[in-house]
Amino acid sequence: EPEVTQTPSHQVTQMGQEVILRCVPISNHLYFYWYRQILGQKVEFLVSFYNNEISEKSEIFDDQFSVERPDGSNFTLKIRSTKLEDSAMYFCASSDLRGYSYEQYFGPGTRLTVT
Amino acid sequence: DAKTTQPNSMESNEEEPVHLPCNHSTISGTDYIHWYRQLPSQGPEYVIHGLTSNVNNRMASLAIAEDRKSSTLILHRATLRDAAVYYCILRDGDFGNEKLTFGTGTRLTIIP
Repeated sequence: EPEVTQTPSHQVTQMGQEVILRCVPISNHLYFYWYRQILGQKVEFLVSFYNNEISEKSEIFDDQFSVERPDGSNFTLKIRSTKLEDSAMYFCASSDLRGYSYEQYFGPGTRLTVT
Repeated sequence: DAKTTQPNSMESNEEEPVHLPCNHSTISGTDYIHWYRQLPSQGPEYVIHGLTSNVNNRMASLAIAEDRKSSTLILHRATLRDAAVYYCILRDGDFGNEKLTFGTGTRLTIIP
């Protein structure tokens, strides 16, 4: 069964450093998303991406964040200058609406620890 | 986004049915009811969704009240692997690409 993959599974970085989290969505999917979950809290939406542009973003997704689909398979989330409060699990998701399926398929997540 | 209300936690014995309730009294006519679950240390996973009629799939059943103000996710025979946080989420059916807005969900504990 096709699945969303994410790398790395765990990233440790120092405050102020740039990090790039990588995702490979399911190959025929058209919509891509990033969510995050701070330990013990709710899953929060960050951004959705379609047709090579951001379709929606939350208040969390400020100028420190950016997303990119650099090639036909990868989808990345970049945090330019990490803060302690960026420590969280980051989940990538994708969905395919061509079959009118509204399911979002989530990856296993990247645990980001900012020290 | 329309709001949903779920119990914080529930327990069930292994191999027994589980009924997870969700209230959504302000649901609009185009809102679909979606259920996702999150197993420990994993990303959320789609379970089932519906609009008005009851729905069945290999994972679960979804029973929707006639007035659509509440719904119940039914796991017919719970296993230890079903221990997870279950989220009831409303999504506007006109915008299938819409983000998912997660609440706190119901933490389901399965007792062996």
